[in-house]
Amino acid sequence: EAGVAQSPRYKIIEKRQSVAFWCNPISGHATLYWYQQILGQGPKLLIQFQNNGVVDDSQLPKDRFSAERLKGVDSTLKIQPAKLEDSAVYLCASSLAATVIYEQYFGPGTRLTVT
Amino acid sequence: AQTVTQSQPEMSVQEAETVTLSCTYDTSESDYYLFWYKQPPSRQMILVIRQEAYKQQNATENRFSVNFQKAAKSFSLKISDSQLGDAAMYFCAYRYGGATNKLIFGTGTLLAVQP
Repeated sequence: EAGVAQSPRYKIIEKRQSVAFWCNPISGHATLYWYQQILGQGPKLLIQFQNNGVVDDSQLPKDRFSAERLKGVDSTLKIQPAKLEDSAVYLCASSLAATVIYEQYFGPGTRLTVT
Repeated sequence: AQTVTQSQPEMSVQEAETVTLSCTYDTSESDYYLFWYKQPPSRQMILVIRQEAYKQQNATENRFSVNFQKAAKSFSLKISDSQLGDAAMYFCAYRYGGATNKLIFGTGTLLAVQP
């Protein structure tokens, strides 16, 4: 079974530029999560999708971050414009469902450096 | 708000020895789940072990076991017969109920295994 795929693995941009990350969850997984992991901290949930609907985006900085999950499969997370404090690893995870305790499977992450 | 605290930023253990990683959490809920995740240098996070709060028996998975003290809100991870492959960042995480499967992570403990 293929795992959660993410691209790119690394990205370096200048502040005020835009960037997008892509995630392909495990086949059949209805729930998809984006986490932000700043160096020295644990991952923090940014947004959770159930199929193509948003379940929780309470910690997403909506003035600059956006995410979509068209057709309930792949997802894209965008930052526009980027700030220095956005430097982090962005992790995507997926699970079969959200309402029951299903394991979350994580992708390898995208390391973003904003200069 | 729920919080997860890992007070040991770094730990070291000799190969074949036993090590215990500490975690405390704060919550007012009675129904919740606790997890330990391992994040090797490649950064793909994997689930090590989980504990349901309603279960009194401590969870075990091969060489990994937990000491769950609900009243003290403590959830430590014991790794027996440590192996070089156990070297990684370990995160304690809490999941509360509701429609989301939101995980709240601690700041992590970096475990080094000495040959």
